[in-house]
Parts: sequence; structure tokens; C-alpha cells
Amino acid sequence: SAVISQKPSRDICQRGTSLTIQCQVDSQVTMMFWYRQQPGQSLTLIATANQGSEATYESGFVIDKFPISRPNLTFSTLTVSNMSPEDSSIYLCSAAVSGGNTIYFGEGSWLTVV
Amino acid sequence: AQRVTQPEKLLSVFKGAPVELKCNYSYSGSPELFWYVQYSRQRLQLLLRHISRESIKGFTADLNKGETSFHLKKPFAQEEDSAMYYCALRGAQKLVFGQGTRLTINP
Repeated sequence: SAVISQKPSRDICQRGTSLTIQCQVDSQVTMMFWYRQQPGQSLTLIATANQGSEATYESGFVIDKFPISRPNLTFSTLTVSNMSPEDSSIYLCSAAVSGGNTIYFGEGSWLTVV
Repeated sequence: AQRVTQPEKLLSVFKGAPVELKCNYSYSGSPELFWYVQYSRQRLQLLLRHISRESIKGFTADLNKGETSFHLKKPFAQEEDSAMYYCALRGAQKLVFGQGTRLTINP
């Protein structure tokens, strides 16, 4: 299994600013992903964080708005840039543990943009 | 393309009654299917996966490739089963979720 820690857990942000969310996994993982869960909605995959290379973004998500880094096997960041109220959401980090097929999730980062 | 459909957004049953949460999928390859659960104010957690063929907290789910379904079942619902349930499909590495079903167990 894996324990995934995210920081911050919650924040209130001003419109037009950017915020970086950090994700730390306690064991080596093969894949790391970032999801968004808007109020009352399901989880939508934003991108796959690739170690040492550019993230792979899903349709509707772009690097300029959601830059992602993954400098090593256990750490990743997601930045939400130039935020607007529509970006108010829970952002979740997830990871697949090496040798397994289960994907684990962090507790999420609740962002409110005012 | 991967797609997961959970037709019921809300499901309410009485304690002790059987529960079935429906999940249908669309995927051209060989899918891996999961059920995740999110209790109030808690993180999303894995409930069960089709590969394991296990029963967790009394829940079971059988993959039916002919009907492309992975319905979640429990013979006797308990109040602590009230939660949000998500069916998810993993194909080509990434995990795609259905819209979720909010299950409420009435006393």
C-alpha cells in the first residue's frame, strides 16, 4: 500500500493568483496522477505526472493552466495558475505502487477561489 | 476510449435490505475494474477490485464481460454503508471514474 500526503489540505485563494499543491508518497510508485473533483461531481483526471519529463494532459486541461512537476519517484506538484472561481474544487493526487495495480489517493486539497 | 457509467446518482434503501449499485463500462481492451468508497469527510479509498474476487465489508462485485457490467452488491445493508460509491476502470494505465452513486441506508 501507499500513504499519500498532500499540502495544503485547504486554502482560500484570491482570483488571479496561483497556488502550488504538493504531493508526497511514502513508497516508490510507478505512476502518479492528478484529479479534480468539482463540487457535487465525480473525479476527473487532469494529467499523468511523468518523472523527469512533461506531464501527459487529458482533453480539456493544458500545461499553462495546470503545470505539473515530478522531480523524483515519490514527489509531484500541481500548480493551478491564474485562478478563477471556476477553479474552486478538490484536487487529488494519486499513485500506483510499484508491482501493484491499485491506485491510492491523497486526502485532497480543497481550494476556494474568491 | 474508456467510459464508466453509474446510472443512479442516489440510492436509498432500508437497513437489512439488499443493495445493488450498478456500473457499466466501455473499453476496447481488457479492463481492470474497481469500486472506491468515500465516507463523509474521509478520503477516497479502495473498496474492492475485480481481480481479487474478494468480499470487503460484505460487498462483492462480479465482472460480467458479456454485459460490460461490474455491479456492487451486498445482501444486507448496514447504516455504516452510507457513503459515496465510485466505479472506476483502469485501462492504458489511467483510472477513469463513473459519476458516483450516493448510497443512503435508512434505519
